[in-house]
Amino acid sequence: SFELTQPPSVSVAPGETATITCGGNNIGSKSVKWSQQKPGQAPVLVIYYDSERPSGIPERFSGSNSGNTATLTISRVEAGDEADYYCQVWDSSSAHYVFGPGTKVTVL
Amino acid sequence: QVQLQESGPGLVKPSETLSLTCAVSGYSISSGYFWGWVRQPPGKGLEWIGHIYHDWTTYYSPSLKSRLTMSVDTSENHFSLKLTSVTAADTAVYYCGRVRGGNFNDAFDIWGQGTMVTVSS
Repeated sequence: SFELTQPPSVSVAPGETATITCGGNNIGSKSVKWSQQKPGQAPVLVIYYDSERPSGIPERFSGSNSGNTATLTISRVEAGDEADYYCQVWDSSSAHYVFGPGTKVTVL
Repeated sequence: QVQLQESGPGLVKPSETLSLTCAVSGYSISSGYFWGWVRQPPGKGLEWIGHIYHDWTTYYSPSLKSRLTMSVDTSENHFSLKLTSVTAADTAVYYCGRVRGGNFNDAFDIWGQGTMVTVSS
């Protein structure tokens, strides 16, 4: 089955840029989604189709995907961005949805 | 505004069946979209359970497929899951969600608030 890898944690100072990676075999051929989850809350979609933002998601959130790595970038990080971030793909070969293990973003 | 709300028992005994329903408001299930379930064990990450369409087309997690049944009730505008022979490993917050775009391979864009289910005697 298709597996995704993410760093367990990323720390960033306010105003700086957070970069969260999502690794998978030839993930560049798949459509990657990213969700943000704060403690005790349901996830919120922040990126779909690799780099598209849903309505209401700040432009500070951006995504890219190529080769074996997809990336979520959060520019000008704010305290409110502190959360767990999960990448996801649909694995067409097995017809199932896959979540990455999640990355905890800490704002210093 | 589309809203989803999970409901069901918060406590299930081992070996019994876990049954949850997700009520959809603000949109008719029979009009389209895939709908799905995701769970999250305490302190752990998100795990996909399955997707269902109003015509009962389903996609199930391979690790749960043997114990899982998802269904849809267009007259009540809700969809449901049943997970048989539960163990403590099935203890989790269960979320229902809508899959955007009308395609089964798209992202979950609207979520319920989640419901905690504990498996314990």
